[in-house]
Amino acid sequence: DIQMTQSPSSVSASVGDRVTITCRASQDINIWSAWYQQKPGKAPKLLISAASSLQTGAPSRFSGSGSGTEFTLTISSLQPEDFATYYCQQAKGFPWTSGQGTKVEIK
Amino acid sequence: EVQLVESGGGLVQPGGSLRLSCVASGFTFSNHWMSWVRQTPGKGLEWVATIKQDGSEKYFVDSVKGRFTISRDNAENSMHLQMNSLRVDDAARYYCARLILGATDLWGQGTLVTVSS
Repeated sequence: DIQMTQSPSSVSASVGDRVTITCRASQDINIWSAWYQQKPGKAPKLLISAASSLQTGAPSRFSGSGSGTEFTLTISSLQPEDFATYYCQQAKGFPWTSGQGTKVEIK
Repeated sequence: EVQLVESGGGLVQPGGSLRLSCVASGFTFSNHWMSWVRQTPGKGLEWVATIKQDGSEKYFVDSVKGRFTISRDNAENSMHLQMNSLRVDDAARYYCARLILGATDLWGQGTLVTVSS
């Protein structure tokens, strides 16, 4: 199975900060990555698919980039509702796999 | 309303069986690959089982191969996960999930599976 290594595992940031989360795939997955946001007690919510395609309804302060083995999720200006856990996921081959998550906490 | 609703979770002893069900509404179920995705507290997401639109292709994570089966009934807009020989490490919240190209864009609320003696 393809492994996804996500970093950092947690980050403390303030409202207005720029936050970057990175994911590394264990093999070339082309553009087949996605990013999700999850809040406590809720199901994950899709933010980004195909590495950089913003999901309808997701705020434009979220952006994704990368290809091959390195992928990045950037929040350009952190808002109070963005404090949550974020997961990357590969979709190059089944079974799809995710990173271990990055918890974005209030500084 | 576009939604997925799971049922069938609960407490089961190691070695036991459970059958999870998912009912879809508000979209054309037969157009989509579907998955069961599980999550344990503080851990990542695991796409446990995935099924093609017509049921002709099925994929499982290695840890459940030979123990779990996935099926769907497009006439009933439903999907099922039969879980046999359950182990303590199968305990998780199980989500029914709709797949689009390269991502999962619709999730149910999840059903909790507890495996304990």
